[in-house]
Amino acid sequence: QKEVEQDPGPLSVPEGAIVSLNCTYSNSAFQYFMWYRQYSRKGPELLMYTYSSGNKEDGRFTAQVDKSSKYISLFIRDSQPSDSATYLCAMSGDGGSQGNLIFGKGTKLSVKP
Amino acid sequence: DGGITQSPKYLFRKEGQNVTLSCEQNLNHDAMYWYRQDPGQGLRLIYYSQIVNDFQKGDIAEGYSVSREKKESFPLTVTSAQKNPTAFYLCASSKRSGNEQFFGPGTRLTVL
Repeated sequence: QKEVEQDPGPLSVPEGAIVSLNCTYSNSAFQYFMWYRQYSRKGPELLMYTYSSGNKEDGRFTAQVDKSSKYISLFIRDSQPSDSATYLCAMSGDGGSQGNLIFGKGTKLSVKP
Repeated sequence: DGGITQSPKYLFRKEGQNVTLSCEQNLNHDAMYWYRQDPGQGLRLIYYSQIVNDFQKGDIAEGYSVSREKKESFPLTVTSAQKNPTAFYLCASSKRSGNEQFFGPGTRLTVL
């Protein structure tokens, strides 16, 4: 079983839809969870960062962590064509500064006008 | 503006050549990282450095080398020993004890 699993998509939704992106993981030591957005041929951009369980909201984006189920989600409300990108989840147990940040393979999202 | 710069954006290499990718940051971050991204494979860690003059191998260090002579700079050399170097290379940085890594725009390396 891979440490982090992420459905690669592609996921196509109409403009204005609510999008749900998910990752599952197997390592119960993971405590730090991140979501990155990556446009084609660009570097990833940090969207959301959460520690331990719970929800975090930032504008149209909500990150949710369920450690009991080893499951994290990113919700995008009122999706826009500009949200079309690949979304990467990332996580670590000790903070990642020791090179232990584990990434999912990314989900490609397309929001149609 | 604070950020991470990578150069060049595109790089072409002939087989048997060594090439060096540049990464510079002005975020005053202690830690820097190099990742390789291939289609369908996600990001894989090549090397990382938590402090000047010190660096550690990541998961796929074979065929690569780095140096960290200045806090702001972390160049990556792709040597001729790297069997399949064509990929998108990403540099990142973070606070030494921080979890949030910030990425540069990437360098796309193609071996001809």
